[in-house]
Amino acid sequence: DSGVTQTPKHLITATGQRVTLRCSPRSGDLSVYWYQQSLDQGLQFLIQYYNGEERAKGNILERFSAQQFPDLHSELNLSSLELGDSALYFCASSVAVAQGAGNSPLHFGNGTRLTVT
Amino acid sequence: DAKTTQPPSMDCAEGRAANLPCNHSTISGNEYVYWYRQIHSQGPQYIIHGLKNNETNEMASLIITEDRKSSTLILPHATLRDTAVYYCIVRGGNAGNMLTFGGGTRLMVKP
Repeated sequence: DSGVTQTPKHLITATGQRVTLRCSPRSGDLSVYWYQQSLDQGLQFLIQYYNGEERAKGNILERFSAQQFPDLHSELNLSSLELGDSALYFCASSVAVAQGAGNSPLHFGNGTRLTVT
Repeated sequence: DAKTTQPPSMDCAEGRAANLPCNHSTISGNEYVYWYRQIHSQGPQYIIHGLKNNETNEMASLIITEDRKSSTLILPHATLRDTAVYYCIVRGGNAGNMLTFGGGTRLMVKP
């Protein structure tokens, strides 16, 4: 158990809909990362937050947004869903993002499997 | 971040050591070598990481060459539960230090 909790585990929805994925980081971790894994793309970095502020952005679509709350949990919002958004969405957390933080491993949750029909 | 090169697949007999190689010839001085594995669509699992020195923990050993251009992850006594995709990742030491995953090595442990 990595200590990172993601809910829900499975989500089935229709095209055009909006969903929210939730992540609770490990106790004491201030940084949260979101990744997408689809069959043909591998693990793709979406976005990173540190202590409530956005710190880095990857290939995140404009239809997607995220935030990190004062209690450090994070939500990933996916809107106007398309069939191609079907994927596993992983959240990870680490202790810090600053100089020397490369020495702090990321710990991943077990993901949310999103199916868009 | 430096890119890595790993063989796409490897086999290993159960009970034997699994040695997974990784090339990272463009690694910079402040970049760490990380290893993760992913078992059948579960979340990636952290295994080990290092900067210059060899490292060992309860899961594995990491051997980094002196020039740091390559490394080897060693699972000393592979079991069937070690069957997974193993990712070698070079990660910067400073801000914006997300992990960039490549294709990894699919390790099949056979009875």
